[in-house]
Amino acid sequence: DAKTTQPNSMESNEEEPVHLPCNHSTISGTDYIHWYRQLPSQGPEYVIHGLTSNVNNRMASLAIAEDRKSSTLILHRATLRDAAVYYCILRDLDAGNMLTFGGGTRLMVKP
Amino acid sequence: NAGVTQTPKFRILKIGQSMTLQCTQDMNHNYMYWYRQDPGMGLKLIYYSVGAGITDKGEVPNGYNVSRSTTEDFPLRLELAAPSQTSVYFCASSYGVGNQPQHFGDGTRLSIL
Repeated sequence: DAKTTQPNSMESNEEEPVHLPCNHSTISGTDYIHWYRQLPSQGPEYVIHGLTSNVNNRMASLAIAEDRKSSTLILHRATLRDAAVYYCILRDLDAGNMLTFGGGTRLMVKP
Repeated sequence: NAGVTQTPKFRILKIGQSMTLQCTQDMNHNYMYWYRQDPGMGLKLIYYSVGAGITDKGEVPNGYNVSRSTTEDFPLRLELAAPSQTSVYFCASSYGVGNQPQHFGDGTRLSIL
């Protein structure tokens, strides 16, 4: 499986934008880029996913590099409730519906 | 809708005891999964099921068993608890293949002493 590399932790100030990077240099043509987040003492929750084009939803935006070797999850205005571990996951549809979690990025939001 | 419900939320077991972690979902999802998460680590897949009567091993199945007699329920069985099985266990479900997101429960925190 293609792997992802994320920083261990990041800090942000409340109400400022946050850009969470993810490197996936060995991504294949059939890999979708998924993001999940895990709030303290909770199970992971789906955030967003994309293949080639940038994607927006009510939670976040996903910017995908033209060569697809990296992507960035964008939280437009961080709140204290956004403090969580964010996981960038490559999902090969040909390999079933599995999620392979790495270590993720722990986002800390300062008031 | 309750989503994915896991019971119990916490449990302490002695080495060698057995127990069943319960998971039920009310979203009529075909796919269900069990993960474990050790401190400071990402989740690892234990077992999964693509429908009632069908189960398959994930990355770390040793020491666990599962069954799927109904669409709603996917219990995880520990037969002979070992300290290495101390972890947080998450159950998840999804509608099917493709990019359907997985929906997770809040976890069962299990300590084996």
